[in-house]
Amino acid sequence: DVKVTQSSRYLVKRTGEKVFLECVQDMDHENMFWYRQDPGLGLRLIYFSYDVKMKEKGDIPEGYSVSREKKERFSLILESASTNQTSMYLCASSFGPESAWGISYEQYFGPGTRLTVT
Amino acid sequence: GIQVEQSPPDLILQEGANSTLRCNFSDSVNNLQWFHQNPWGQLINLFYIPSGTKQNGRLSATTVATERYSLLYISSSQTTDSGVYFCAVLGAGANSKLTFGKGITLSVRP
Repeated sequence: DVKVTQSSRYLVKRTGEKVFLECVQDMDHENMFWYRQDPGLGLRLIYFSYDVKMKEKGDIPEGYSVSREKKERFSLILESASTNQTSMYLCASSFGPESAWGISYEQYFGPGTRLTVT
Repeated sequence: GIQVEQSPPDLILQEGANSTLRCNFSDSVNNLQWFHQNPWGQLINLFYIPSGTKQNGRLSATTVATERYSLLYISSSQTTDSGVYFCAVLGAGANSKLTFGKGITLSVRP
């Protein structure tokens, strides 16, 4: 079974703090993704990575950065957390070709991290 | 970009009833997935079904790619089926990303 894990289920941070969300997958997947989910807005892609040290912006990258130093691990970084980044963050992974585009493999999701910024 | 519409937005069933959830999409797709989001927020993979029909226990799904829709069938519903069901598609064009519908909230009452 594919397993995608996230470092925390619930997280509370203060405005201005630097926040790290970690995601690890155990299936040797090339592609990894970070989404956020908000009521009324659905799931939106923040960043994705199709290889180690490679990253591509999604639909809403502003205020976020990512790091992928190892194939199994993809980190989302909030450089200076703000209240509008309070959200549910979901990590996903999939097999894929080396190209970032034309990805057509099944995505598997982690359990999510509910982040509250006060 | 590709548009994904799910219907109905909300559904309330009595335990044991059957239901059909619909996903319409606006363009050709390389990938279509159905997910169930449980009350704790986890997205569970139900089907990877860009075309054809698949069955898994009480659930089955059909995608008619030429007519740009997919259906998820739930038979003999149980309270544990409650949650939000998402359809997500990957458009066939270049630079495509997985696009999610807004979801269908299903409540199964005992």
